[in-house]
Amino acid sequence: AQSVAQPEDQVNVAEGNPLTVKCTYSVSGNPYLFWYVQYPNRGLQFLLKYITGDNLVKGSYGFEAEFNKSQTSFHLKKPSALVSDSALYFCAVRDIGNTDKLIFGTGTRLQVFP
Amino acid sequence: GAVVSQHPSWVICKSGTSVKIECRSLDFQATTMFWYRQFPKQSLMLMATSNEGSKATYEQGVEKDKFLINHASLTLSTLTVTSAHPEDSSFYICSAEPASGATDTQYFGPGTRLTVL
Repeated sequence: AQSVAQPEDQVNVAEGNPLTVKCTYSVSGNPYLFWYVQYPNRGLQFLLKYITGDNLVKGSYGFEAEFNKSQTSFHLKKPSALVSDSALYFCAVRDIGNTDKLIFGTGTRLQVFP
Repeated sequence: GAVVSQHPSWVICKSGTSVKIECRSLDFQATTMFWYRQFPKQSLMLMATSNEGSKATYEQGVEKDKFLINHASLTLSTLTVTSAHPEDSSFYICSAEPASGATDTQYFGPGTRLTVL
């Protein structure tokens, strides 16, 4: 069965410092991997995805993520955090050719302090 | 591009009444739309998948007679919560998958907060 794990409930980082939000996944087929961000009382905004190709994927608002097949990870990164990046981040995976459903992790709250 | 809207953004209703939530893809056509439910401080739970012109596919444990889904056109899906009860209070989010282009990506609406008194 496919699953996504976000091991950290919350990540705290000072503004201007690099940030990493961790995600690991488990699928039986080929993974399509996604990161979404959710602001309070709002829906999810698409940040980036990995389908195939380069392991380093660049997305919106300066975010990027690195696909690591051997570690089954897809960590979200940003070189320099902004206070406005504070939000809830969800990693998701689609098990293409299997269930094809989008399965979400439990979310990681990112707090960027001035 | 790829904007999805939901209406209403919030609704309060009395127990026993029905509530309809609309999900629209504003700048693309979507053959497939999804309905999720999110409890406070929890992740999204897929409720059902709706395809234009056909019956929705419900996830295990989701009552199809309680959560009626209609995908009437390539830009509109509706979720009707029938005979709502307080335990149905939640944040309901829809998403839409473009019929062409980035067909592997779901774009989400802003959500509808339902409170049943």
